Amino acid sequence: DADVTQTPRNRITKTGKRIMLECSQTKGHDRMYWYRQDPGLGLQLIYYSFDVKDINKGEISDGYSVSRQAQAKFSLSLESAIPNQTALYFCATSGRHTGELFFGEGSRLTVL
Amino acid sequence: AQSVTQPDIHITVSEGASLELRCNYSYGATPYLFWYVQSPGQGLQLLLKYFSGDTLVQGIKGFEAEFKRSQSSFNLRKPSVHWSDAAEYFCAVGDNPMEYGNKLVFGAGTILRVKS
Repeated sequence: DADVTQTPRNRITKTGKRIMLECSQTKGHDRMYWYRQDPGLGLQLIYYSFDVKDINKGEISDGYSVSRQAQAKFSLSLESAIPNQTALYFCATSGRHTGELFFGEGSRLTVL
Repeated sequence: AQSVTQPDIHITVSEGASLELRCNYSYGATPYLFWYVQSPGQGLQLLLKYFSGDTLVQGIKGFEAEFKRSQSSFNLRKPSVHWSDAAEYFCAVGDNPMEYGNKLVFGAGTILRVKS
């Protein structure tokens, strides 16, 4: 099983719908992140959390919210999806003593 | 503003040939530098990182990168490319990740194609 698991892997939805992307990890890391990938733009940080009580906005947080339900779970929500939120979303984790991000396999979201 | 530039969107090399992927960064503090690789349908995997010390760093899969502060560059190299190296490569920069977490600024990526 993957260390960082994202669900769903693919989702097609309509404008205005509420969407939740879920992430769970078995690496025991405190730090979790949501990044968005768009072709030609690389990855951009949406939100990050250093522990259950710590949530921080990244560079492109508008239109998104997150919930850290437990150390191992970090969900990303789009309250009212719009077409320019069509992208590949990655959850990632990191430990306090390493400099490496561990990524999930991504959730591809299409908003029509 | 912090930024990472990968000038080459696509690169095609022959199997067995050498490879260099370019990365230039703009960062106000001491940069912590990374190269990640993304295979189709997969998440990103760390190839190597530079934090301090020797400016030539070795990574997995035979890759290496050299940090040149005077040129604000962190180019990725491999002496002999294998077909399995075909993927998208991302350069990234950030603060000390142990202290501040991996709030990275990524480049736009370079897609590597390998021809036989």
